[in-house]
Amino acid sequence: QITLKESGPTLVKPTQTLTLTCTFSGFSLNTYGVGVGWIRQPPGKALEWLALIYWDDDTRYSPSLKSRLTITKDTSKNQVVLTMTNMDPIDTATYYCAHRHDRASGRWFDPWGQGTLVIVSA
Amino acid sequence: QSVLTQPPSASGTPGQRVTISCSGSSSNIGSHYVYWYQQLPGTAPKLLIYRNNQRPSGVPDRFSGSKSGTSASLAISGLRSEDEADYYCASWDDNLNGPVFGGGTKLTVL
Repeated sequence: QITLKESGPTLVKPTQTLTLTCTFSGFSLNTYGVGVGWIRQPPGKALEWLALIYWDDDTRYSPSLKSRLTITKDTSKNQVVLTMTNMDPIDTATYYCAHRHDRASGRWFDPWGQGTLVIVSA
Repeated sequence: QSVLTQPPSASGTPGQRVTISCSGSSSNIGSHYVYWYQQLPGTAPKLLIYRNNQRPSGVPDRFSGSKSGTSASLAISGLRSEDEADYYCASWDDNLNGPVFGGGTKLTVL
């Protein structure tokens, strides 16, 4: 059974850097075709993909946020870390991490973590 | 503004069939599979349909997906109160070189 759980601060101040950790079990990030992604959802709004990291260390970022994001993995700890610099109140959202299936047979997020709410406020 | 376009809302009465559309372009839906996620109130999204029309284990066959050209649809037959949720379509986009989501459709069961 695959599970993922996000952790990090609930409240950050504007201009600060956000660091979120996704701790997972039930799969290895050394396995071909496997990745972990981060997706966020502002209150009452739609899902927005942020970043992906794959088994082979390949990384992808949302073009609109690329300059502010860094995604890394620690396979020994079964963790993926996302950092986002220069936080702004508009970044207030629930942040999800999700297991990524990425092969010729298709590309999807399943399952997702429960999400963690991040509020950006002075 | 989301890359994939969905109607913001849909509704139906119990037992009815409803469809939710998802419109994209040649760089996403036109070239790649479509996926659907269901987000029940207060919960994380859950994969509902993968590879255009495949259901993961445990998803009732009341849910079905289809794709034609640069558009896709999710159909829910025999509507039930527990289907009240937000539904998101998703695909891959070659221009953005990453996954893209629709703006979501809020389904209300009247």
